Amino acid sequence: AQKITQTQPGMFVQEKEAVTLDCTYDTSDQSYGLFWYKQPSSGEMIFLIYQGSYDEQNATEGRYSLNFQKARKSANLVISASQLGDSAMYFCAMREGQRAGGTSYGKLTFGQGTILTVHP
Amino acid sequence: DTEVTQTPKHLVMGMTNKKSLKCEQHMGHRAMYWYKQKAKKPPELMFVYSYEKLSINESVPSRFSPECPNSSLLNLHLHALQPEDSALYLCASSQVLLQGVRQPQHFGDGTRLSIL
Repeated sequence: AQKITQTQPGMFVQEKEAVTLDCTYDTSDQSYGLFWYKQPSSGEMIFLIYQGSYDEQNATEGRYSLNFQKARKSANLVISASQLGDSAMYFCAMREGQRAGGTSYGKLTFGQGTILTVHP
Repeated sequence: DTEVTQTPKHLVMGMTNKKSLKCEQHMGHRAMYWYKQKAKKPPELMFVYSYEKLSINESVPSRFSPECPNSSLLNLHLHALQPEDSALYLCASSQVLLQGVRQPQHFGDGTRLSIL
């Protein structure tokens, strides 16, 4: 069963405007983490922002913020003041609180991604 | 610049060749990962090493052979690959903590592999 759903294959935004990238997830764990990564065409995966299931405040990192609605199981990424360099693929990912031999590295489950294009 | 370094950045090899991909990190992370990524698709987990021991093998064909010589290095040995193995191969690392959901995985730039 798909655990992370990104329903927008592609999004377009005008430079300097804000854009929201959607992400919904499914888990029965109480403890989990949600991550957003950016992947430019060059290939590297860049960690952007993290939201923990027990965090009461929405996460923010510079121009990135996370609109976390736990009851709806959604963790949308908001990018404010879009820049041309924001054009990339964006992945939402979830890490559940798994144990393996007393330690946890928790597998990351990725969504299908959203390609964001910023127009000048 | 990423803190996880992968070499080479590009690799073209024939189906009978043997080659290796290398990954190095100096962040003190004790979990390291190999992913395979096809164009416009999410990364697919291949292997996880925790404290230099193989913890997860996601049913990867034996023509891919991982190795973790020490806590900073991760290799992926390739032999007799098929054209469908052409992809971007990403290495990542993270801390290993009890119930460590909070720690992000840090990725390298990847190796673009083409099989002729």
